[in-house]
Amino acid sequence: GAGVSQSPSNKVTEKGKDVELRCDPISGHTALYWYRQSLGQGLEFLIYFQGNSAPDKSGLPSDRFSAERTGGSVSTLTIQRTQQEDSAVYLCASRYSGGASYEQYFGPGTRLTVT
Amino acid sequence: EDQVTQSPEALRLQEGESSSLNCSYTVSGLRGLFWYRQDPGKGPEFLFTLYSAGEEKEKERLKATLTKKESFLHITAPKPEDSATYLCAVQGGSEKLVFGKGTKLTVNP
Repeated sequence: GAGVSQSPSNKVTEKGKDVELRCDPISGHTALYWYRQSLGQGLEFLIYFQGNSAPDKSGLPSDRFSAERTGGSVSTLTIQRTQQEDSAVYLCASRYSGGASYEQYFGPGTRLTVT
Repeated sequence: EDQVTQSPEALRLQEGESSSLNCSYTVSGLRGLFWYRQDPGKGPEFLFTLYSAGEEKEKERLKATLTKKESFLHITAPKPEDSATYLCAVQGGSEKLVFGKGTKLTVNP
């Protein structure tokens, strides 16, 4: 079946502009996660959504970052007033919450470059 | 705070030369330890989940093992197509995965 999809695959933006990154999780997966992967760094957790519960925003690095999930499916990560340090690959993952397994399945990522 | 350290950072092997990758971790209440494979320009691909010390899982030339402090990913008779970055992650009391920085494996023909 279809995996996690993300768009765009690449985004180049100027410093100070806002960007929106999109994630389509695997059908039937109620848990959705955003991570960031910077050069030379490990994957860093940003935010987690589960069904209709309030999201866990504990990993968002600043108030310029926000995310929403509409209809329990598609999610959008928004970065306002982008800075050069925001340049990274943004990865989305989803998980099936109905069983006993915890593995998360990742999309291909969006490579963000802030010039 | 949950932490994951992977070693070595990079490993070069000749085709057929078996070896192991190490993942040391500290976590409060382990719910799972995960191994992923990541190819350049792609997202991590799930390989294994290990839940408790003593557990082992195998897939083709890969075998993952778990103790209370570390996990090993054993690669038997590797092929060039096994070249990738291998990521280890743990999940403790929260929903997030905490990742190590990975081991970049290169298998030469």
